[in-house]
Amino acid sequence: QKEVEQNSGPLSVPEGAIASLNCTYSDRGSQSFFWYRQYSGKSPELIMFIYSNGDKEDGRFTAQLNKASQYVSLLIRDSQPSDSATYLCAVNIVGGTSYGKLTFGQGTILTVHP
Amino acid sequence: EAQVTQNPRYLITVTGKKLTVTCSQNMNHEYMSWYRQDPGLGLRQIYYSMNVEVTDKGDVPEGYKVSRKEKRNFPLILESPSPNQTSLYFCASSARGLRGPYEQYFGPGTRLTVT
Repeated sequence: QKEVEQNSGPLSVPEGAIASLNCTYSDRGSQSFFWYRQYSGKSPELIMFIYSNGDKEDGRFTAQLNKASQYVSLLIRDSQPSDSATYLCAVNIVGGTSYGKLTFGQGTILTVHP
Repeated sequence: EAQVTQNPRYLITVTGKKLTVTCSQNMNHEYMSWYRQDPGLGLRQIYYSMNVEVTDKGDVPEGYKVSRKEKRNFPLILESPSPNQTSLYFCASSARGLRGPYEQYFGPGTRLTVT
């Protein structure tokens, strides 16, 4: 089982819809969770991070974390064509010798069509 | 301007010829990291550093070396490159918090081809 798994997609949604991206992780010691967006040919850029169970909202983006079920999700409301990109989930384990180790999922390709 | 720089941006080399990819950040970040990105495999961490002289292995450290002699620089060394190290490489840095690295700032990437 991969440590961090994402549905590679592609996920296609119409403009204005809600896009839902999911990520599961295997290590219960995971403490920090990040969502990055990567446009084709560009570097990843942070969208959101979340540490505690529940929801965290920032503009059109909402991150949801459920540590008991070991999943983290990203919702994008009112999706725009400019949201079309690859979305990367990243998980950090804190403690012991793995402090600072960051594991990424393989990414989900999102396409928002007009 | 806060940034992470990498050099070179593109490199074509031959098997066995030692090379170094430099990474520098101007944000006084403690944490720096190297990743490689391959189609279908996503970003995989090679090495990371929590501070000067403190480095540790990521998920795919074989065939790579790093050093952190100064806070701003974190070079990636390939002592004897092989074709399976052909990839897109990213350097990243962040401040260091209690729960690990905070938001990472990524460099522009280095596309390496080993023939």
